[in-house]
Amino acid sequence: DIQMTQSPSSLSASVGDRVTITCRASQSISTYLNWYQQKPGKAPRLLIYTASNLQSAVSSRFSGSGSGTDFTLIVSSLQPEDFATYYCQQSYSTPYTFGQGTKLEIK
Amino acid sequence: EAQLVESGGGLVQSGGSLRLPCAASGFAFTTYTMSWVRQAPGKGLEWVAKMKEDGSEISYVDSVKGRFTISRDNAQNLLFLQMNSLRAEDTAVYYCVRGGATRGYFDPWGQGTLVTVSS
Repeated sequence: DIQMTQSPSSLSASVGDRVTITCRASQSISTYLNWYQQKPGKAPRLLIYTASNLQSAVSSRFSGSGSGTDFTLIVSSLQPEDFATYYCQQSYSTPYTFGQGTKLEIK
Repeated sequence: EAQLVESGGGLVQSGGSLRLPCAASGFAFTTYTMSWVRQAPGKGLEWVAKMKEDGSEISYVDSVKGRFTISRDNAQNLLFLQMNSLRAEDTAVYYCVRGGATRGYFDPWGQGTLVTVSS
């Protein structure tokens, strides 16, 4: 199985900050990496697919990059609604696996 | 707008069974691979199972193989997860999601249904 490791596990930041979340795969997954946002009590929401493609209706503050084993999610200027938990997920092969999550909290 | 609505969750004893239906609307259900993803309380996301649009290419995470069965009724736009021999570690919110094709993504997600297995 492909293991996905996110860092950091938690992050405190302020409105307006630029934040970076990283995701590492245990083997190469090309660009088959997706990012999701989840708020408490809600279902996850797709943000970025295939490493760098912004899902429709998602703010352009979010961007993704990477290929192979190393990927990043950047939020360019944090807004209050961005404080949530973020997950990466590989779709290269089953079983599809997620990172453990990064909880983004208000400083 | 694509929408997924799960139901069927609840409290069940260890060793028991439960069937989760998911009603799909707002998109061409018969053209999409569908999946189930679960989330134990306070934990991360775990993909559980997928089924291709024609009922082929079924796949499961190892922890549920032989106990869970994914199925679909394309005439009624329904996805199902039959869960047998339930264990305490199956306690989770179960999400129905569109997607699961290799090299694809999960979007959208249903609101989830909570399954609690008591030991």
